[in-house]
Amino acid sequence: SQTIHQWPATLVQPVGSPLSLECTVEGTSNPNLYWYRQAAGRGLQLLFYSVGIGQISSEVPQNLSASRPQDRQFILSSKKLLLSDSGFYLCAWSSIGVTNEKLFFGSGTQLSVL
Amino acid sequence: QKEVEQDPGPLSVPEGAIVSLNCTYSNSAFQYFMWYRQYSRKGPELLMYTYSSGNKEDGRFTAQVDKSSKYISLFIRDSQPSDSATYLCATYTGNQFYFGTGTSLTVIP
Repeated sequence: SQTIHQWPATLVQPVGSPLSLECTVEGTSNPNLYWYRQAAGRGLQLLFYSVGIGQISSEVPQNLSASRPQDRQFILSSKKLLLSDSGFYLCAWSSIGVTNEKLFFGSGTQLSVL
Repeated sequence: QKEVEQDPGPLSVPEGAIVSLNCTYSNSAFQYFMWYRQYSRKGPELLMYTYSSGNKEDGRFTAQVDKSSKYISLFIRDSQPSDSATYLCATYTGNQFYFGTGTSLTVIP
């Protein structure tokens, strides 16, 4: 069965420090991969999505970037964090084909920038 | 106009009550509809999935889609304290997922 791993669960970082959040998917090949940010009461905001290795689409050009170095690995990065980067970050995947319209989420990372 | 609108609540019900959670959507092209359950500080979990109109039942949960009125609903029968969570409706078309902002539900023992 397919599983998605996201880490760390909680992260406290000072303003101006770098960020790297990692997500891996097991049990499927060539998934679509997504990074979302969830702010309290504001729903899910799509940040990046990827349909293949090295293919990244940015929905919100900000202080963040994403990379997909391997088929089932998705990384969210920042060179210098801002206070406004605080939030709950979620990685997700969908499968090309029959279940393309189903999105499966990781457990999330609560990021606090102080 | 947002693609999916959802009443944020919060909704508080006694244990055993029937819960009705609702969303409206704007684009008649939407065909796939989902409900997610999200516990505090956790990722959303796919709870129900329906295609086009009609009802789908899974245990105590029933998902209903009315395409004529662009209305989607989730019914929870015999609600339990463990159902206390935020419920998000979602739809999908053309490689894009659209989410409601979520309804916070508390089931009081």
